Amino acid sequence: SYELTQPPSVSVSPGQAASITCSGYKLGNKYVCWYQQKPGQSPLLVIYQDTKRPSGIPERFSGSNSGNTATLTISGTQAMDEADYYCQAWDSSTVVFGGGTKLTVL
Amino acid sequence: EVQLVESGGGLVQPGGSLRLSCAASGFTFSSYWMTWVRQAPGKGLEWVANIKQDGSEKYYVDSVKGRFTISRDNAKNSLYLQMNSLRAEDTAFYYCARTHYYDNSGFDYWGQGTLVTVSS
Repeated sequence: SYELTQPPSVSVSPGQAASITCSGYKLGNKYVCWYQQKPGQSPLLVIYQDTKRPSGIPERFSGSNSGNTATLTISGTQAMDEADYYCQAWDSSTVVFGGGTKLTVL
Repeated sequence: EVQLVESGGGLVQPGGSLRLSCAASGFTFSSYWMTWVRQAPGKGLEWVANIKQDGSEKYYVDSVKGRFTISRDNAKNSLYLQMNSLRAEDTAFYYCARTHYYDNSGFDYWGQGTLVTVSS
């Protein structure tokens, strides 16, 4: 079965850029979505189709996908961005999530 | 305003059954694939099942095949998950999510989740 691998944790200083990676075999051939989840809340879609932002998502969130790695980048990271982030892709008609990355802003 | 409201969670003994519901409003429910995603306490997201607009296609994660059944009633704008032969490892928050299947745009709306606890 298809697998997506994320680093368990990433730390960033306020105002700096944070990058969270998601790796999978030939992932660049699939569309990737990213979700943000804060404690006690439901997941929130922040990036879809590799690079697109849903309405209401700040411009500081961006995505890329090439080769075996997709990346979520948060530029000018703010304290409110501290959360768990999950990548997601489709494998035929089934869905795969990465294991999640805890972003700490310190 | 799009809303998804799950219900039906609770405490159930191993081997027992539970039926989850997801009431949808604010959009044309019959036009969308729908998905169930679960999250064990303190763990990551796990896809459970999804269903086509008319219910003619259904897909499941291997760990629930033969035990869980996803279904929908477009007249009632409702999504369901019938869970049988429940195991301790099925303990999780269960979320329903509106699904953009054809263009792989992901899950743009999620419910608040309902907690299923499987324990004796």
